[in-house]
Amino acid sequence: DTEVTQTPKHLVMGMTNKKSLKCEQHMGHRAMYWYKQKAKKPPELMFVYSYEKLSINESVPSRFSPECPNSSLLNLHLHALQPEDSALYLCASSHDILRGENTEAFFGQGTRLTVV
Amino acid sequence: DAKTTQPTSMDCAEGRAANLPCNHSTISGNEYVYWYRQIHSQGPQYIIHGLKNNETNEMASLIITEDRKSSTLILPHATLRDTAVYYCIVRSFMIYNQGGKLIFGQGTELSVKP
Repeated sequence: DTEVTQTPKHLVMGMTNKKSLKCEQHMGHRAMYWYKQKAKKPPELMFVYSYEKLSINESVPSRFSPECPNSSLLNLHLHALQPEDSALYLCASSHDILRGENTEAFFGQGTRLTVV
Repeated sequence: DAKTTQPTSMDCAEGRAANLPCNHSTISGNEYVYWYRQIHSQGPQYIIHGLKNNETNEMASLIITEDRKSSTLILPHATLRDTAVYYCIVRSFMIYNQGGKLIFGQGTELSVKP
């Protein structure tokens, strides 16, 4: 199983709503990532988790709150978003880079978020 | 992480080889070159990676110059399904337990035409 599953595929939320994006993998990967991608732009790194601990936060606003409850799951909690936060949110996973194994990152298909 | 420079767009005839260049002149000794592609509305897909030797897999070949300042991704027989944005990424080792940053540049939009 080389799949990263993201749910939901599409989400529309109001600016006062609270919602969560979910990401799951069963490849035994211990590094998991959140990316944000606006139309016609490359993916931008938001967060990296390594062994269930947040290791990189790319100065993301606090209205985005990541959580890694176990080694297979990664959540992104959303609260008080703005219309400019509308984007494709991508999750990825990989082996920790110093394991000496192939460190390709596998990406999910993304959640397309619209904030109204 | 080192920056990469790629052409904004390229065309390729179906069945011909597609050669996608990437410049990474500030790459350092412990940084790998990775290539990913993103087909419209899908998540990025890993293609290949290398350190200093040329690499080949079932999807593509990666040619890295001896000074490591540039590389070329070769799709030997491009098909219409290879139409995508191709990203060249330089990825460094991180200290243990830090995972590894994968920072995307602007990429090359490859159009394979019949």
